[in-house]
Amino acid sequence: GENVEQHPSTLSVQEGDSAVIKCTYSDSASNYFPWYKQELGKGPQLIIDIRSNVGEKKDQRIAVTLNKTAKHFSLHITETQPEDSAVYFCAASNQAGTALIFGKGTTLSVSS
Amino acid sequence: KAGVTQTPRYLIKTRGQQVTLSCSPISGHRSVSWYQQTPGQGLQFLFEYFSETQRNKGNFPGRFSGRQFSNSRSEMNVSTLELGDSALYLCASNAAGGPNTGELFFGEGSRLTVL
Repeated sequence: GENVEQHPSTLSVQEGDSAVIKCTYSDSASNYFPWYKQELGKGPQLIIDIRSNVGEKKDQRIAVTLNKTAKHFSLHITETQPEDSAVYFCAASNQAGTALIFGKGTTLSVSS
Repeated sequence: KAGVTQTPRYLIKTRGQQVTLSCSPISGHRSVSWYQQTPGQGLQFLFEYFSETQRNKGNFPGRFSGRQFSNSRSEMNVSTLELGDSALYLCASNAAGGPNTGELFFGEGSRLTVL
């Protein structure tokens, strides 16, 4: 079945540094790749997404890149702040578009 | 606009019992998805409903079931509970045609503990 691998599982950075989280997916028919942020005690919240016809998308300090040939996509956070500390999940849509398959998450800690 | 509401927020059951969790999506949203979240496995897809039809089911045993009502509210049921069913169960709704068409709006989850 569809599978999404996410690395690293934990990431610690200093405030102001950049953070990169990488994901690979198995289903070549996937065409939608969102990233979600989950803070303690809350449900995940969408922070950025990208579709298969786009190679890169940026929103202020957050950017996502997609390499469809390699079935690989990444989240880049620049100028990290303590409030960026959370669990981040990547996801890929299944072929039918009826499910998002999530990676296992990355716990990002930003220390000041 | 109210967000996705899940009830109950916390519950404790014993092995062998059954449990029903409820999800009220954002008004107007017709797609509802359920996920199981555990520390080791992350978010695992359970099922997705659209207009009362189950369109997809994840790799979970038949003890896990769900349904969606005409007002888009959804319930999931787990029968014959096992210790490994302890998890946070998340519900998410979508405004468009399904999970690949736009943002999933998640509720805060129902935390189930099985003793």
